[in-house]
Amino acid sequence: GNSVTQMEGPVTLSEEAFLTINCTYTATGYPSLFWYVQYPGEGLQLLLKATKADDKGSNKGFEATYRKETTSFHLEKGSVQVSDSAVYFCALSWSSSAGGTSYGKLTFGQGTILTVHP
Amino acid sequence: GAGVSQTPSNKVTEKGKYVELRCDPISGHTALYWYRQSLGQGPEFLIYFQGTGAADDSGLPNDRFFAVRPEGSVSTLKIQRTERGDSAVYLCASSLKLGGPTDTQYFGPGTRLTVL
Repeated sequence: GNSVTQMEGPVTLSEEAFLTINCTYTATGYPSLFWYVQYPGEGLQLLLKATKADDKGSNKGFEATYRKETTSFHLEKGSVQVSDSAVYFCALSWSSSAGGTSYGKLTFGQGTILTVHP
Repeated sequence: GAGVSQTPSNKVTEKGKYVELRCDPISGHTALYWYRQSLGQGPEFLIYFQGTGAADDSGLPNDRFFAVRPEGSVSTLKIQRTERGDSAVYLCASSLKLGGPTDTQYFGPGTRLTVL
Protein backbone atom coordinates (compact mmCIF):
# COMPACT_ATOMS: atom_id res chain seq x y z
CA GLY A 1 0.00 0.00 0.00
CA ASN A 2 0.91 3.68 -0.09
CA SER A 3 3.05 5.08 2.69
CA VAL A 4 5.05 8.18 3.61
CA THR A 5 8.13 8.23 5.82
CA GLN A 6 9.46 11.43 7.37
CA MET A 7 12.74 11.98 9.10
CA GLU A 8 12.79 11.43 12.82
CA GLY A 9 12.16 14.52 14.86
CA PRO A 10 12.01 16.83 16.64
CA VAL A 11 14.25 19.31 14.85
CA THR A 12 15.67 22.29 16.73
CA LEU A 13 17.42 25.11 14.87
CA SER A 14 18.63 28.63 15.46
CA GLU A 15 17.08 31.47 13.52
CA GLU A 16 18.53 31.88 9.99
CA ALA A 17 19.75 28.27 9.88
CA PHE A 18 19.16 26.04 6.85
CA LEU A 19 16.32 23.55 7.13
CA THR A 20 15.88 20.15 5.53
CA ILE A 21 13.11 17.74 6.47
CA ASN A 22 13.38 14.47 4.59
CA CYS A 23 10.36 12.72 3.15
CA THR A 24 10.23 9.53 1.11
CA TYR A 25 7.21 7.70 -0.19
CA THR A 26 6.01 4.36 -1.47
CA ALA A 27 3.18 4.37 -3.96
CA THR A 28 2.01 2.75 -7.15
CA GLY A 29 1.58 4.99 -10.15
CA TYR A 30 2.10 8.72 -9.95
CA PRO A 31 0.92 10.30 -6.73
CA SER A 32 0.69 13.99 -6.01
CA LEU A 33 2.85 15.14 -3.12
CA PHE A 34 2.10 17.73 -0.46
CA TRP A 35 3.61 19.41 2.56
CA TYR A 36 1.11 20.52 5.19
CA VAL A 37 1.98 22.62 8.25
CA GLN A 38 0.25 22.80 11.62
CA TYR A 39 1.10 25.91 13.63
CA PRO A 40 0.49 25.82 17.40
CA GLY A 41 -3.23 26.01 18.13
CA GLU A 42 -4.19 26.03 14.45
CA GLY A 43 -5.45 23.54 11.87
CA LEU A 44 -3.55 21.89 9.05
CA GLN A 45 -2.65 24.24 6.21
CA LEU A 46 -1.27 23.40 2.80
CA LEU A 47 2.31 24.69 2.53
CA LEU A 48 3.16 23.52 -0.99
CA LYS A 49 2.48 20.75 -3.47
CA ALA A 50 3.81 19.10 -6.62
CA THR A 51 1.70 17.00 -8.92
CA LYS A 52 4.20 15.39 -11.27
CA ALA A 53 7.82 14.30 -11.38
CA ASP A 54 10.44 17.08 -11.34
CA ASP A 55 7.88 19.69 -10.31
CA LYS A 56 9.05 22.08 -7.61
CA GLY A 57 6.54 23.39 -5.11
CA SER A 58 7.36 26.59 -3.26
CA ASN A 59 5.73 28.92 -0.75
CA LYS A 60 6.89 31.28 2.03
CA GLY A 61 10.54 30.52 1.25
CA PHE A 62 10.02 26.76 1.50
CA GLU A 63 10.73 24.49 -1.46
CA ALA A 64 10.37 20.81 -2.29
CA THR A 65 11.08 18.95 -5.54
CA TYR A 66 9.21 15.81 -6.61
CA ARG A 67 11.96 13.25 -7.28
CA LYS A 68 10.52 10.11 -8.80
CA GLU A 69 13.88 8.37 -9.14
CA THR A 70 14.50 8.57 -5.40
CA THR A 71 10.79 8.62 -4.40
CA SER A 72 11.46 11.71 -2.31
CA PHE A 73 9.96 15.12 -1.60
CA HIS A 74 12.34 16.78 0.86
CA LEU A 75 11.35 20.13 2.34
CA GLU A 76 13.98 22.89 2.45
CA LYS A 77 14.26 26.49 3.55
CA GLY A 78 17.38 28.58 3.34
CA SER A 79 16.85 30.69 6.46
CA VAL A 80 14.28 29.73 9.07
CA GLN A 81 12.49 32.14 11.37
CA VAL A 82 11.03 31.69 14.83
CA SER A 83 7.59 31.93 13.24
CA ASP A 84 8.31 28.74 11.26
CA SER A 85 8.08 26.70 14.46
CA ALA A 86 5.33 24.17 13.77
CA VAL A 87 4.66 20.53 12.90
CA TYR A 88 5.29 19.65 9.26
CA PHE A 89 3.54 16.75 7.52
CA CYS A 90 4.49 15.20 4.21
CA ALA A 91 1.58 13.57 2.38
CA LEU A 92 0.71 11.88 -0.86
CA SER A 93 -2.53 11.76 -2.75
CA TRP A 94 -3.07 8.81 -5.03
CA SER A 95 -5.83 8.58 -7.51
CA SER A 96 -8.64 6.27 -6.48
CA SER A 97 -12.00 6.00 -8.17
CA ALA A 98 -15.62 5.86 -7.10
CA GLY A 99 -18.50 5.87 -9.49
CA GLY A 100 -16.17 6.66 -12.35
CA THR A 101 -14.78 9.80 -10.71
CA SER A 102 -11.21 9.94 -9.50
CA TYR A 103 -10.37 11.38 -6.13
CA GLY A 104 -7.38 11.53 -3.88
CA LYS A 105 -7.36 10.55 -0.24
CA LEU A 106 -4.27 11.73 1.58
CA THR A 107 -1.74 9.45 3.21
CA PHE A 108 0.36 11.35 5.76
CA GLY A 109 3.74 10.85 7.34
CA GLN A 110 4.01 10.95 11.11
CA GLY A 111 4.98 14.63 11.22
CA THR A 112 8.16 16.47 12.18
CA ILE A 113 8.19 19.01 14.99
CA LEU A 114 10.32 22.03 14.15
CA THR A 115 11.39 24.47 16.85
CA VAL A 116 13.35 27.59 15.88
CA HIS A 117 15.11 29.58 18.61
CA PRO A 118 16.04 33.27 18.33
CA GLY B 1 -14.44 33.61 2.99
CA ALA B 2 -15.12 31.20 5.82
CA GLY B 3 -13.02 28.10 6.07
CA VAL B 4 -14.01 24.61 7.14
CA SER B 5 -15.63 24.68 10.56
CA GLN B 6 -16.03 21.84 13.01
CA THR B 7 -18.09 21.58 16.17
CA PRO B 8 -17.58 21.01 18.98
CA SER B 9 -13.91 21.88 19.29
CA ASN B 10 -13.62 19.59 22.29
CA LYS B 11 -15.79 16.68 23.36
CA VAL B 12 -15.33 14.66 26.54
CA THR B 13 -17.51 11.59 26.92
CA GLU B 14 -17.68 8.41 28.91
CA LYS B 15 -16.94 4.96 27.57
CA GLY B 16 -20.02 3.47 25.96
CA LYS B 17 -21.69 6.76 25.07
CA TYR B 18 -22.75 7.98 21.63
CA VAL B 19 -21.20 11.10 20.07
CA GLU B 20 -21.76 13.20 16.97
CA LEU B 21 -19.12 15.41 15.40
CA ARG B 22 -20.13 18.05 12.87
CA CYS B 23 -18.30 19.44 9.84
CA ASP B 24 -19.34 22.46 7.81
CA PRO B 25 -17.24 22.56 4.61
CA ILE B 26 -16.31 25.58 2.54
CA SER B 27 -19.33 26.73 0.53
CA GLY B 28 -19.36 25.19 -2.94
CA HIS B 29 -16.93 22.41 -2.10
CA THR B 30 -18.35 19.12 -3.30
CA ALA B 31 -15.73 16.75 -1.90
CA LEU B 32 -15.56 16.12 1.85
CA TYR B 33 -13.16 13.93 3.80
CA TRP B 34 -12.91 12.81 7.42
CA TYR B 35 -9.54 11.94 8.97
CA ARG B 36 -8.48 10.88 12.46
CA GLN B 37 -5.25 12.05 14.08
CA SER B 38 -3.90 10.22 17.10
CA LEU B 39 -1.34 11.87 19.36
CA GLY B 40 2.05 12.14 17.68
CA GLN B 41 0.83 10.73 14.39
CA GLY B 42 -0.26 12.04 11.03
CA PRO B 43 -3.93 12.09 10.09
CA GLU B 44 -5.44 8.83 8.82
CA PHE B 45 -8.22 8.67 6.25
CA LEU B 46 -11.66 7.59 7.44
CA ILE B 47 -14.27 8.37 4.76
CA TYR B 48 -14.82 10.39 1.58
CA PHE B 49 -18.08 11.95 0.39
CA GLN B 50 -18.81 12.84 -3.19
CA GLY B 51 -21.88 15.01 -2.84
CA THR B 52 -24.35 13.25 -0.58
CA GLY B 53 -22.98 9.73 -0.93
CA ALA B 54 -20.14 8.06 0.91
CA ALA B 55 -17.97 7.05 -2.03
CA ASP B 56 -15.23 5.45 0.05
CA ASP B 57 -15.62 4.42 3.68
CA SER B 58 -12.71 2.00 3.71
CA GLY B 59 -10.95 3.88 6.52
CA LEU B 60 -13.72 3.55 9.09
CA PRO B 61 -12.25 1.28 11.78
CA ASN B 62 -15.42 -0.70 12.53
CA ASP B 63 -19.21 -0.54 12.38
CA ARG B 64 -19.42 1.72 15.43
CA PHE B 65 -18.40 4.56 13.13
CA PHE B 66 -20.82 6.05 10.64
CA ALA B 67 -21.01 9.34 8.74
CA VAL B 68 -23.70 11.15 6.77
CA ARG B 69 -23.96 14.14 4.49
CA PRO B 70 -27.69 14.29 3.68
CA GLU B 71 -27.78 17.53 1.69
CA GLY B 72 -24.31 17.46 0.22
CA SER B 73 -22.96 20.14 2.54
CA VAL B 74 -22.74 19.60 6.31
CA SER B 75 -21.49 16.21 7.42
CA THR B 76 -21.84 14.42 10.74
CA LEU B 77 -19.51 11.69 11.99
CA LYS B 78 -21.29 9.43 14.45
CA ILE B 79 -19.57 7.09 16.90
CA GLN B 80 -21.59 4.55 18.87
CA ARG B 81 -20.52 2.83 22.10
CA THR B 82 -17.35 4.90 22.32
CA GLU B 83 -14.15 3.26 23.54
CA ARG B 84 -11.04 4.81 25.08
CA GLY B 85 -9.15 3.97 21.90
CA ASP B 86 -11.42 6.33 19.96
CA SER B 87 -9.78 9.30 21.69
CA ALA B 88 -8.16 11.42 18.97
CA VAL B 89 -8.56 14.60 16.98
CA TYR B 90 -11.11 14.16 14.21
CA LEU B 91 -10.39 16.33 11.18
CA CYS B 92 -12.65 17.29 8.33
CA ALA B 93 -11.42 18.55 4.96
CA SER B 94 -13.12 19.75 1.80
CA SER B 95 -12.00 20.45 -1.73
CA LEU B 96 -13.55 22.37 -4.56
CA LYS B 97 -13.75 19.84 -7.33
CA LEU B 98 -14.86 16.24 -7.07
CA GLY B 99 -11.80 15.53 -4.98
CA GLY B 100 -9.24 14.90 -7.70
CA PRO B 101 -5.83 13.71 -6.50
CA THR B 102 -4.15 16.99 -7.37
CA ASP B 103 -6.74 19.10 -5.56
CA THR B 104 -5.90 20.94 -2.37
CA GLN B 105 -7.84 19.76 0.64
CA TYR B 106 -8.71 22.48 3.15
CA PHE B 107 -8.80 21.30 6.73
CA GLY B 108 -10.93 22.36 9.65
CA PRO B 109 -9.50 22.94 13.14
CA GLY B 110 -10.64 19.51 14.29
CA THR B 111 -12.66 18.11 17.17
CA ARG B 112 -10.65 16.70 20.05
CA LEU B 113 -12.53 13.68 21.38
CA THR B 114 -11.63 12.29 24.78
CA VAL B 115 -13.27 9.09 25.97
CA LEU B 116 -12.91 8.54 29.69
